Amino acid sequence: DGGITQSPKYLFRKEGQNVTLSCEQNLNHDAMYWYRQDPGQGLRLIYYSQIVNDFQKGDIAEGYSVSREKKESFPLTVTSAQKNPTAFYLCASSSSLTSGSYNEQFFGPGTRLTVL
Amino acid sequence: AQSVAQPEDQVNVAEGNPLTVKCTYSVSGNPYLFWYVQYPNRGLQFLLKYITGDNLVKGSYGFEAEFNKSQTSFHLKKPSALVSDSALYFCAVTRRGTNAGKSTFGDGTTLTVKP
Repeated sequence: DGGITQSPKYLFRKEGQNVTLSCEQNLNHDAMYWYRQDPGQGLRLIYYSQIVNDFQKGDIAEGYSVSREKKESFPLTVTSAQKNPTAFYLCASSSSLTSGSYNEQFFGPGTRLTVL
Repeated sequence: AQSVAQPEDQVNVAEGNPLTVKCTYSVSGNPYLFWYVQYPNRGLQFLLKYITGDNLVKGSYGFEAEFNKSQTSFHLKKPSALVSDSALYFCAVTRRGTNAGKSTFGDGTTLTVKP
């Protein structure tokens, strides 16, 4: 059964704590992405990675960090520097096209993070 | 830079009527265009895409979209709406070319189909 898994589904964090969100895919996709979704604001790109051991900042990278040590895994750490981390976080992956760009994205079920 | 506009936050249609969800884009060079659907508290699901070729693309669940290069639009359509089509719809654009890994999503349009 192929796809993307995210864990946990719900996560609660105290202010000042770092927390790591897991994202794993078994689709053999090269590219992986992290998005933040807030009500009425659509998806905003946090980080993306086109290849193992390489990643780029998206539009709202401040207060977040990522790693891409394995093709299958792209964990996101929400640090204490992120001022308003309560949101729905979505991970996605996609395959590369011969043109050098990327195909449609497959999304995980999301992690809802709440800061207490 | 690339951007996507979905000019309508909300679209309401009656079941059985045709529906259109609008999308316009801005990108340097040739685009790849995508439509996704999201149900509450779920991840996005891919509906259809324009990569190259025929401007009219057909996708899942009876949806289709037409790529119009001169109007830089990629509107989502369905001839006969179902109540189960009610969801949040996102349009996305990716620039074609080497290392073009970043997609930009619109803010989404909530479609409500009433029985």
